[in-house]
Amino acid sequence: DIQMTQSPSSLSASVGDRVTITCRASHSISSYLNWFQQKPGKAPKLLIYSASSLQSGVPSRFSGSGSGADFTLTISSLQPEDFATYYCQQSYSTPYTFGQGTKLEIK
Amino acid sequence: EVQLVESGGGLVQPGGSLRLSCAVSGFTFSGYWMHWVRQAPGKGLVWVSRINSDGSSTNYADSVKGRFTISRDNAKNTLYLQMNSLRVEDTAVYYCAGDISNNYGLDVWGQGTTVTVSS
Repeated sequence: DIQMTQSPSSLSASVGDRVTITCRASHSISSYLNWFQQKPGKAPKLLIYSASSLQSGVPSRFSGSGSGADFTLTISSLQPEDFATYYCQQSYSTPYTFGQGTKLEIK
Repeated sequence: EVQLVESGGGLVQPGGSLRLSCAVSGFTFSGYWMHWVRQAPGKGLVWVSRINSDGSSTNYADSVKGRFTISRDNAKNTLYLQMNSLRVEDTAVYYCAGDISNNYGLDVWGQGTTVTVSS
């Protein structure tokens, strides 16, 4: 199975900050990497697919990059509604493993 | 409007069974892969299973292989997860999700149904 490791596990930041979350796969997954946002009590929401493609309706302050085994999610200017938990997920091979999550909190 | 509505969760004793359902509307259900993802209380997301558009191909996480069975009824626009030999560690919110853009991302999700395995 492919293991996905996110860092950091938690992050404190302020509105307007630029934030980067990283995700590393235990094997190369090409660009089969997705990013999700989840708020408490809600279902996850797809933000980025194929490592760098912005899902329809997602604000352009979210961006993704990387290929192979190393990936990043960047939020260019944090908004109040962005405080949530973020997960990466590989869709290269089953089981489609998720990272452990990064909780983004208000500083 | 795309909607996925899960049902069938509840409290069950260890060793028991439950069948979850996910009723879909707003897109052509029969055209897409569908998945189940779970989340234990206070924990992260875990992929459970997937099924192809006509039900002929399935995959499972090792933790549920041999105990859970994913299936679908395209005539009823419904996805299922039959869960047998349930364990305490299967306690979670179970989400159905779909890849309706065919981009390997899970772009539509239900609201989740809660399964509690406890004596």
